Amino acid sequence: SAVISQKPSRDICQRGTSLTIQCQVDSQVTMMFWYRQQPGQSLTLIATANQGSEATYESGFVIDKFPISRPNLTFSTLTVSNMSPEDSSIYLCSVQLADAGAQYFGPGTRLLVL
Amino acid sequence: GIQVEQSPPDLILQEGANSTLRCNFSDSVNNLQWFHQNPWGQLINLFYIPSGTKQNGRLSATTVATERYSLLYISSSQTTDSGVYFCAPIHTGNQFYFGTGTSLTVIP
Repeated sequence: SAVISQKPSRDICQRGTSLTIQCQVDSQVTMMFWYRQQPGQSLTLIATANQGSEATYESGFVIDKFPISRPNLTFSTLTVSNMSPEDSSIYLCSVQLADAGAQYFGPGTRLLVL
Repeated sequence: GIQVEQSPPDLILQEGANSTLRCNFSDSVNNLQWFHQNPWGQLINLFYIPSGTKQNGRLSATTVATERYSLLYISSSQTTDSGVYFCAPIHTGNQFYFGTGTSLTVIP
């Protein structure tokens, strides 16, 4: 398994501002992902964070809105840019330790945009 | 992608009761994971089960990949079992497709 931490755990932000969420893993992992969970909904994959190259975004998510960095194999950031109330969600990072292997999630970041 | 449906969407149990949660998926899968999301939002791994049956204490899971479904059994339910249960098959590559979830409430 892997131990994953996220910062901040929660935040309240004003519309139009940006928030950067950090994800730290206790071991080197190849696959890191970012998910969004809107209130009362299931999880939706935003993107795969690739080390040393641009993230791979899912349909409906773009780099300008959700820029992602992955400087090494243990760390990634997700920025939620130019926020609106519709961005209020839980944002979760996850890691996968092997191809088609089990996925482990961080504790999540609860974001409320006013 | 694939479609993942879970049933029932909501479930209320008396403490001590047993239950079965179902996950149907529309295409072949390489693997499947069950998660419990507790009331604080933390996603906890329950099972990683491409086929067959696994047991962990009061919980067990069975996946029949050829028939495109998986079942999660909860026996002697406790209030701490409350939360949302998600299944997440892997269809191709490494992408998980999360189901719609079953919201479980266990009352004392």
